[in-house]
Amino acid sequence: GQNIDQPTEMTATEGAIVQINCTYQTSGFNGLFWYQQHAGEAPTFLSYNVLDGLEEKGRFSSFLSRSKGYSYLLLKELQMKDSASYLCAVKSDYKLSFGAGTTVTVRA
Amino acid sequence: EAGVVQSPRYKIIEKKQPVAFWCNPISGHNTLYWYRQNLGQGPELLIRYENEEAVDDSQLPKDRFSAERLKGVDSTLKIQPAELGDSAVYLCASSTRDRDNEQFFGPGTRLTVL
Repeated sequence: GQNIDQPTEMTATEGAIVQINCTYQTSGFNGLFWYQQHAGEAPTFLSYNVLDGLEEKGRFSSFLSRSKGYSYLLLKELQMKDSASYLCAVKSDYKLSFGAGTTVTVRA
Repeated sequence: EAGVVQSPRYKIIEKKQPVAFWCNPISGHNTLYWYRQNLGQGPELLIRYENEEAVDDSQLPKDRFSAERLKGVDSTLKIQPAELGDSAVYLCASSTRDRDNEQFFGPGTRLTVL
């Protein structure tokens, strides 16, 4: 089975940095994804890691350690529009298994 | 490029009624997925198609759920009869075989069963 854990909620101030952690225990691993989902909208792709290390895309970075079953998503220079749910998902074969999501609230 | 299209966006029905959801994937995407997302949870895969073939339907409750993708393009997911616990958002996603690392999601159908 798949077990993917991430915090339920996080709050941060506009302009700050927030790190969302994700730990996983899965049968098989073909990559880890982060998706952003605004309330009532579709999840949208943010990042993909298959090898250990840091992937940077603008204000968003994602890190993976396969040996530790651990990833984090780093959001820098937070903006109000970053208030959303952030989903960690692990791919095994062709199947994506999602965590429950972390709701990030950005305050002015 | 146009995204994944789903309809209807919202549906309210009484329990024991049938309901159907429709999805049109991104043009050229061979792989189509149906997910169910309960409130406060991540999406859970129901079924995956490669062209018109259902290659993974292990999580589909087959006593009441059915799906089809007859021509390998758009797809329909049906529930008959619906139960109260089926209230959720039903998401469709698609990807290409070459880039199946990234799945593109539609806006979903929010189903409420009364």
